[in-house]
Amino acid sequence: DAMVIQNPRYQVTQFGKPVTLSCSQTLNHNVMYWYQQKSSQAPKLLFHYYDKDFNNEADTPDNFQSRRPNTSFCFLDIRSPGLGDAAMYLCATSREDEQFFGPGTRLTVL
Amino acid sequence: AQSVSQHNHHVILSEAASLELGCNYSYGGTVNLFWYVQYPGQHLQLLLKYFSGDPLVKGIKGFEAEFIKSKFSFNLRKPSVQWSDTAEYFCAVKSPNFGNEKLTFGTGTRLTIIP
Repeated sequence: DAMVIQNPRYQVTQFGKPVTLSCSQTLNHNVMYWYQQKSSQAPKLLFHYYDKDFNNEADTPDNFQSRRPNTSFCFLDIRSPGLGDAAMYLCATSREDEQFFGPGTRLTVL
Repeated sequence: AQSVSQHNHHVILSEAASLELGCNYSYGGTVNLFWYVQYPGQHLQLLLKYFSGDPLVKGIKGFEAEFIKSKFSFNLRKPSVQWSDTAEYFCAVKSPNFGNEKLTFGTGTRLTIIP
């Protein structure tokens, strides 16, 4: 029944230790997104894929990278997490006019 | 760049009260408008959307929103709230002129319903 799946739901990492968050979808949508959401703030778009075309937001730090090996999966790599990267990371998909969100991964940086 | 403003950060209501949450956007061209809801511990879900046609849009769970182009507004309403409506509500806008795949979200309104 799940449509957008994110693993893990909770991730703890150490300052500077690379971490990868994963997202998969069963909707066969061609667009996938990664958002960062900090407490009491709006979700902030980091980047999105339109099929295999990668679209980076201008203000997304270089520390954040993404991979989309196929239609179903998309990964968010944080190369050197800082304390300021602690947040909820949301994955979403869309085909035309509606975005479908996953439950998010809450990242804690120690 | 377009922006979305939600002026009510936290709203507290009693059950059966009427609700109106404000949303204003900045772009004057063609826009698509959305309200999303995030219940405690759950993912963002679509409440309703406006693309064209009747500016009064009805969504799930008794919610509706009215698109007023002259006011750049898309306020969310519900005539009688329930305790289960306690959640965070996000207004969002999309425009073909800013990347048709991209949503811009407001900062959200936390709604607390007191039984």
